[in-house]
Amino acid sequence: DAEITQSPRHKITETGRQVTLACHQTWNHNNMFWYRQDLGHGLRLIHYSYGVQDTNKGEVSDGYSVSRSNTEDLPLTLESAASSQTSVYFCASSPAGVEGTDTQYFGPGTRLTVL
Amino acid sequence: AQSVTQPDIHITVSEGASLELRCNYSYGATPYLFWYVQSPGQGLQLLLKYFSGDTLVQGIKGFEAEFKRSQSSFNLRKPSVHWSDAAEYFCASIKAAGNKLTFGGGTRVLVKP
Repeated sequence: DAEITQSPRHKITETGRQVTLACHQTWNHNNMFWYRQDLGHGLRLIHYSYGVQDTNKGEVSDGYSVSRSNTEDLPLTLESAASSQTSVYFCASSPAGVEGTDTQYFGPGTRLTVL
Repeated sequence: AQSVTQPDIHITVSEGASLELRCNYSYGATPYLFWYVQSPGQGLQLLLKYFSGDTLVQGIKGFEAEFKRSQSSFNLRKPSVHWSDAAEYFCASIKAAGNKLTFGGGTRVLVKP
């Protein structure tokens, strides 16, 4: 069955280190998204991509970057991890079409702790 | 800026009782509206969505939601909750096609035996 996976599921790192969170989907969806989830804030959009070589900043993009070299993967990189980036990170994908009206399918999440 | 508000942070309900979760949005045009559920340690699963047409929308797991333009609301309901409905519920919206998904802060539902 098609799915969306994230790895690792849990990560502890130190302030200043570079961290990359993986997201892989097998639906062949053009659209992929990264969110962070913090208590009281719901989910906030970090970056998104509408296809290979396309990346866009979301609401809370500072300190994060993404790259899209193929349809299946959208890795999220924290260039220099900060304690404020301790959060649960969710990846999502949706098919191409009228953007925004298609359902987004979410991965299981990665819990990141920055010490 | 568009925003989505879920006024209730926590709701406790007895098993078998009815459940209603509130959601309000704050812009004039009719948005695209969604309800997602997040079980503990899991990702988000879509319960239902509203784009246009019939304002009462049926979803999975016995949930339904009603869009009320006059109240800028999209409340989620279930007539009889099961213990497995204990989860966090998120309302989300898109202002118009081509825009981004905005989430409310979530409502955590606890189910008493």
